[in-house]
This record gives sequence, C-alpha cells and structure tokens, in this order.
Amino acid sequence: KAGVTQTPRYLIKTRGQQVTLSCSPISGHRSVSWYQQTPGQGLQFLFEYFSETQRNKGNFPGRFSGRQFSNSRSEMNVSTLELGDSALYLCASSLTQTLNEQFFGPGTRLTVL
Amino acid sequence: GENVEQHPSTLSVQEGDSAVIKCTYSDSASNYFPWYKQELGKRPQLIIDIRSNVGEKKDQRIAVTLNKTAKHFSLHITETQPEDSAVYFCAAFFNYGQNFVFGPGTRLSVLP
Repeated sequence: KAGVTQTPRYLIKTRGQQVTLSCSPISGHRSVSWYQQTPGQGLQFLFEYFSETQRNKGNFPGRFSGRQFSNSRSEMNVSTLELGDSALYLCASSLTQTLNEQFFGPGTRLTVL
Repeated sequence: GENVEQHPSTLSVQEGDSAVIKCTYSDSASNYFPWYKQELGKRPQLIIDIRSNVGEKKDQRIAVTLNKTAKHFSLHITETQPEDSAVYFCAAFFNYGQNFVFGPGTRLSVLP
C-alpha cells in the first residue's frame, strides 16, 4: 500500500495570505489528523477528521480549518498567515479514530515571510 | 490546563544500556498514551502505545508502563542500539477537550 502523501512538500507565503495543504491517507484509512511541528512549540495537534466530520480539535485559532472529502483525503487551510505559522505541517492517517496507530506523512514545510 | 511534561530533555547512554523516559500528564481522565520516535529529518513513527486499562505493555526491546494514580507513564528501551538514537515524544489524549497533547520530546543518543 502507498503511504500517506502530502502536497505540496514546500511552500513559501507572505504574511496575510492564505494557504491550503493536502493530505491523502493510506488506502482504507478513514481518519486524518493534522499536526504542527516547530522547534519552539514541538508537536501540536490541530484537528482530526473522521468520515468527513471534525471529531477532535486542538487549541488553535479559527484561522486554522480543515475538511475531509468522501474519499478520506483531507485539506487544511490557514487564513491570514502570520510569521509564527512557519512550521512543518504533518498529517497522519489511521484506520479508525485517533486512538489507534497513526501513520504520518512526510509533511509540508511552510515558510511565512 | 491540559499538559504533558517529559523528562529528561536529552539522554545519552552507552550501547547495550537501558534508557528510560518519563512523562506526566495533567488530566486523570486521559485514556490513550502513545510514544513516537522521530529520526532527524524524518516523520514521527509510532513505536508503542498503551491504554488506561492496562498497566504495562511490551514489544521486544521496548516497554511502556502506566501509573494512573500518579498520572505518569514511562518508556523503557533495553539493550539500546545506535539506531535507537532519535527524538522520542510521548502524548496523551485528553477526553475533556478531545485534544491530543504531546510532550516536548527527549533526544536520545546511543553511543557506540
């Protein structure tokens, strides 16, 4: 089976812009979770989608949003980008909901200038 | 608030020795505790997890113990090898906020 894929792998944006990141889970996996990883804050959970519904959510502002499609692919959107949004954004998929083994994608490196 | 502390932040051991990393969590209702290994430049990888109804779980050289009363859980790696060198993250799922919180990570170096 193909692993979790994320596009794009690298992205450069400027403050105030918005960005959309994409994640394709392992075939058959129905849950997709998103994480932000920075040197200062470490790994932080953004949200989880299961069967096209947001099931769990971390402590991030409303500028961070997501959605999941019927084929389980997920997108994450960040509006009004800030310098502090520069990070590695990881998605992870699992067969069912979060409390099971998650497989991570390679991540999207977002740089906000 | 929801918090996971992890100690130590760095750990160096000689090859063949054991390594122990400890995490404490704030919410007694937490029920799922995974451990991830992240090698430099690579994605995190789940190495072991434990649920609140179990006190200990082992998988070859890796074991995790959970003390619900004290709200802490620990990762034990025996017979360490150089390829065990990585950053290890613990995490806890907090039922109240439906939030997954990670510890800050432990950089483990296994010296040959």
